[in-house]
Amino acid sequence: EAQVTQNPRYLITVTGKKLTVTCSQNMNHEYMSWYRQDPGLGLRQIYYSMNVEVTDKGDVPEGYKVSRKEKRNFPLILESPSPNQTSLYFCASSRKGGGMGHEQYFGPGTRLTVT
Amino acid sequence: GQQVMQIPQYQHVQEGEDFTTYCNSSTTLSNIQWYKQRPGGHPVFLIQLVKSGEVKKQKRLTFQFGEAKKNSSLHITATQTTDVGTYFCAGPEGAAYKYIFGTGTRLKVLA
Repeated sequence: EAQVTQNPRYLITVTGKKLTVTCSQNMNHEYMSWYRQDPGLGLRQIYYSMNVEVTDKGDVPEGYKVSRKEKRNFPLILESPSPNQTSLYFCASSRKGGGMGHEQYFGPGTRLTVT
Repeated sequence: GQQVMQIPQYQHVQEGEDFTTYCNSSTTLSNIQWYKQRPGGHPVFLIQLVKSGEVKKQKRLTFQFGEAKKNSSLHITATQTTDVGTYFCAGPEGAAYKYIFGTGTRLKVLA
């Protein structure tokens, strides 16, 4: 089954404790992206990756890091989480090509609370 | 930077009534995507529009892309309770894959 998986699904942590949210897709997609969703603000892109070892900042990259060492995985790293990073996080993937966007497949989401 | 606004923010309709959400970008878009997110779920792709003035239909859903490629709309005819959720539009900033999502329209359908 084609899917994007995220782990963990729920996480409560404390300020400053480094954490990683994993994202994996089994569709051989080149493009992957991280979004955060906050009430009234919709989905905001954090980082995206066009392919292995190619990443770029989205709209709200501050406080986050990503890496793309393998095509299927795109982990989101919070080196020193703060309460304003409490949010619902989604990973997404899609094909790339033709100079045009393609359907993005979203993971189930990770609800992060930083106290 | 580029902004994508959606209106209305919320809409409550009686089952069987029509519903429309509008998406407006501050810049011209090369394409626009629409997604639906059920309560507690994740966004699910509905459609992508590419051409100026394009109209596409999916059963009771009609999607339009404006002539200037700066606005779009989603119209649902005769809403059903299964239409409940938040509808988002999204467009790329420039030619890259940096996607800007609208703030979404939350639809509630009263039976």
